[in-house]
Amino acid sequence: EAGVTQFPSHSVIEKGQTVTLRCDPISGHDNLYWYRRVMGKEIKFLLHFVKESKQDESGMPNNRFLAERTGGTYSTLKVQPAELEDSGVYFCASSQGDPFWYEQYFGPGTRLTVT
Amino acid sequence: GNSVTQMEGPVTLSEEAFLTINCTYTATGYPSLFWYVQYPGEGLQLLLKATKADDKGSNKGFEATYRKETTSFHLEKGSVQVSDSAVYFCALDNFNKFYFGSGTKLNVKP
Repeated sequence: EAGVTQFPSHSVIEKGQTVTLRCDPISGHDNLYWYRRVMGKEIKFLLHFVKESKQDESGMPNNRFLAERTGGTYSTLKVQPAELEDSGVYFCASSQGDPFWYEQYFGPGTRLTVT
Repeated sequence: GNSVTQMEGPVTLSEEAFLTINCTYTATGYPSLFWYVQYPGEGLQLLLKATKADDKGSNKGFEATYRKETTSFHLEKGSVQVSDSAVYFCALDNFNKFYFGSGTKLNVKP
């Protein structure tokens, strides 16, 4: 069974440009999460989808970030326009349900560099 | 609020040495606690977890005990191997929302 996949693995863009990150969760996982790690600091929660609905988007830093999960399968995270402080590693994770009972499986991450 | 603090790295040990990585937390309610490991070029993998006070999580020789009185979840291993070299993240889950520490890089030398 394939794990969580993310694309691209690395993206380098200039300040002001747009970037779209993609996450493909494990098939059948209704829960999908986005996280990011900036400057080697803690990994921070961005948002949580249950199927196609945003369950919790309290971690989204500002309105330059837009996440979608059309059809409840893969998800995209768009940053528009990108700023220098957006550089970091963006992780996606998926699970069958509540982390109390079900493991979250993480993708390898997308390293975003904004110059 | 909710937060996790773990010791800064890198931690460098010789093979077969004893490992401790400290982790303390603040949380509202009754969180579950986790240790994740990230090997080079890979995503985070669940290493172990504990869901209530005094629970001990264990896996691959690693152990951590949920200590509510000291709000800690320290990771230990009696004898590390070179293959344990990775970044270790302590985390808590409160109401289906994860809070991670900043990660501790472990280097194990032969």
